[in-house]
Amino acid sequence: AQSVTQLDSQVPVFEEAPVELRCNYSSSVSVYLFWYVQYPNQGLQLLLKYLSGSTLVKGINGFEAEFNKSQTSFHLRKPSVHISDTAEYFCAVSERGGGSNYKLTFGKGTLLTVNP
Amino acid sequence: KAGVTQTPRYLIKTRGQQVTLSCSPISGHRSVSWYQQTPGQGLQFLFEYFSETQRNKGNFPGRFSGRQFSNSRSEMNVSTLELGDSALYLCASSQNGLAGSGETQYFGPGTRLLVL
Repeated sequence: AQSVTQLDSQVPVFEEAPVELRCNYSSSVSVYLFWYVQYPNQGLQLLLKYLSGSTLVKGINGFEAEFNKSQTSFHLRKPSVHISDTAEYFCAVSERGGGSNYKLTFGKGTLLTVNP
Repeated sequence: KAGVTQTPRYLIKTRGQQVTLSCSPISGHRSVSWYQQTPGQGLQFLFEYFSETQRNKGNFPGRFSGRQFSNSRSEMNVSTLELGDSALYLCASSQNGLAGSGETQYFGPGTRLLVL
């Protein structure tokens, strides 16, 4: 079974500073990796996903993430954050191959707070 | 294309009652998944439906059930409500629910259930 660990439950940063939200996963098989964002009182919105190919994935709103197979990590980064990036960020995995069942396993989330 | 819609958005019930939540997927999507989100447990997978059949189920008691209609709309029912059932219930849809292809799930805004 797969699991996801988001190492920081809260990350406070100042506006225009860079940010990295950390995600590590554990799985006995190959996985697909996702980052979702949840703004207050809203559902989850996909930021980016890694399926295959280049390990650096670019997403919406200037976010990017790098897949590191040896370290089983998929950290999310943004070079300069805005107040509007304040939200909760979730890392998720799904297992590759086999069957047609769909299950995403989520981390506990990281609350990013951008201060002026 | 319209996104995933969920009704109602907010609900207050008392212990022992039952509740039904509704989810309309994106047009053309045949897979619908349900998740429970709480501050303590994070996002937990409840079940997934495809073509009116439950294909995948998480570790929740039998009080939690669901169904899917021929138009892919889905309902989730919780009977004999407990205080611990207070949560945000999120519905997500995808085209075919194919885990092995890294298909993206699109989430609705959620139904916030408060059990008193």
